Amino acid sequence: AQKVTQAQTEISVVEKEDVTLDCVYETRDTTYYLFWYKQPPSGELVFLIRRNSFDEQNEISGRYSWNFQKSTSSFNFTITASQVVDSAVYFCALTYNAGGTSYGKLTFGQGTILTVHP
Amino acid sequence: SAVISQKPSRDICQRGTSLTIQCQVDSQVTMMFWYRQQPGQSLTLIATANQGSEATYESGFVIDKFPISRPNLTFSTLTVSNMSPEDSSIYLCSVEDTGQETQYFGPGTRLLVL
Repeated sequence: AQKVTQAQTEISVVEKEDVTLDCVYETRDTTYYLFWYKQPPSGELVFLIRRNSFDEQNEISGRYSWNFQKSTSSFNFTITASQVVDSAVYFCALTYNAGGTSYGKLTFGQGTILTVHP
Repeated sequence: SAVISQKPSRDICQRGTSLTIQCQVDSQVTMMFWYRQQPGQSLTLIATANQGSEATYESGFVIDKFPISRPNLTFSTLTVSNMSPEDSSIYLCSVEDTGQETQYFGPGTRLLVL
């Protein structure tokens, strides 16, 4: 069975602070995909990043960076110099990778509510 | 990525009634899914909508309560039947095309059952 744990229920920071959202996963599969999604107050789920289990390179995209560590089954997300517009619920998710094709079924963590104060 | 729309965007319904939610994609996609997000909770997969055949339901979800149709590769519907207040949730459809390895989500339908 797959499981995703986001231990931080809520985080509150002041604008320009750096913030890291933690994600720990469990899976018996040797190949899988990990994701981060953002859900602003409007409710839509916005895709941020996908990482294949074979690719442990960290990634940076503007103020966003992701640290994937297979040894600790973690896929953490850091926002540098946070802004009020970053306020949202952030979900980490996991899916099985079946021979190079995504299995499709996403298992989500409980989400972390991030509030950035001006 | 595909542009996904859902109708209605929100609704308030009386218990015992049914509501059909539509999901439309602007291009053909291989896979379509329906998720439920109860208030303050995470997303839970209801079912995979299969084109031309019956949907594949996850544990805890049944066809009589959540009938799903997928008549073609760009459209699907989810019906929430015989609603109760516990069905108040956001219902989201998502799509994934072959080779994309990523699900993209529609804007969601906010349902309140009184």
